[in-house]
Amino acid sequence: EPEVTQTPSHQVTQMGQEVILRCVPISNHLYFYWYRQILGQKVEFLVSFYNNEISEKSEIFDDQFSVERPDGSNFTLKIRSTKLEDSAMYFCASRKEGGAGNIQYFGAGTRLSVL
Amino acid sequence: AQSVTQLGSHVSVSEGALVLLRCNYSSSVPPYLFWYVQYPNQGLQLLLKYTTGATLVKGINGFEAEFKKSETSFHLTKPSAHMSDAAEYFCAVSAGTGFQKLVFGTGTRLLVSP
Repeated sequence: EPEVTQTPSHQVTQMGQEVILRCVPISNHLYFYWYRQILGQKVEFLVSFYNNEISEKSEIFDDQFSVERPDGSNFTLKIRSTKLEDSAMYFCASRKEGGAGNIQYFGAGTRLSVL
Repeated sequence: AQSVTQLGSHVSVSEGALVLLRCNYSSSVPPYLFWYVQYPNQGLQLLLKYTTGATLVKGINGFEAEFKKSETSFHLTKPSAHMSDAAEYFCAVSAGTGFQKLVFGTGTRLLVSP
């Protein structure tokens, strides 16, 4: 069964460094998402991406964050200058099309630790 | 605006006992509701969803949930717990229109003892 793949599974970085989290969505999917979960808190929406542009973003997704689909397969989340509070599990998700209730398929996540 | 409340961060049951995980939602538009499960070191896997129609929905692994509009609830149940059901369970809501971002609850960890 097709799956969403995220790499790396764990990323450790120093505060102020740039990180790029990578995702390979399911190949025929059109809608892409990033969510994050700070330890002990709920999964929070960050951004959705469709037709090569951001379709919606949350207040968390400030200028330090960016997303890109550099080719036909990858979907990346970049954090330009990491802060301690960016430490979290980041989940990528993709969805096939705009049908009602079409489900989002999630990757296993990247655990980001900012020291 | 939408929100989800999951009562109980941890629920413990014995193998063979009824599983009941509670979810209440708030939504200004007709909601689409989902239950996802997360096993250790894995991604979020859809258990079941409610969009429209029948309010009792059945999912994988013997789970089911009932949409009760009057109670704004979407509780997850399973008649008989199995050891393999031990995992984290997330209830989520979306607007069903637009780009359909998911709004999640805080999750409930299900512990199953022999």
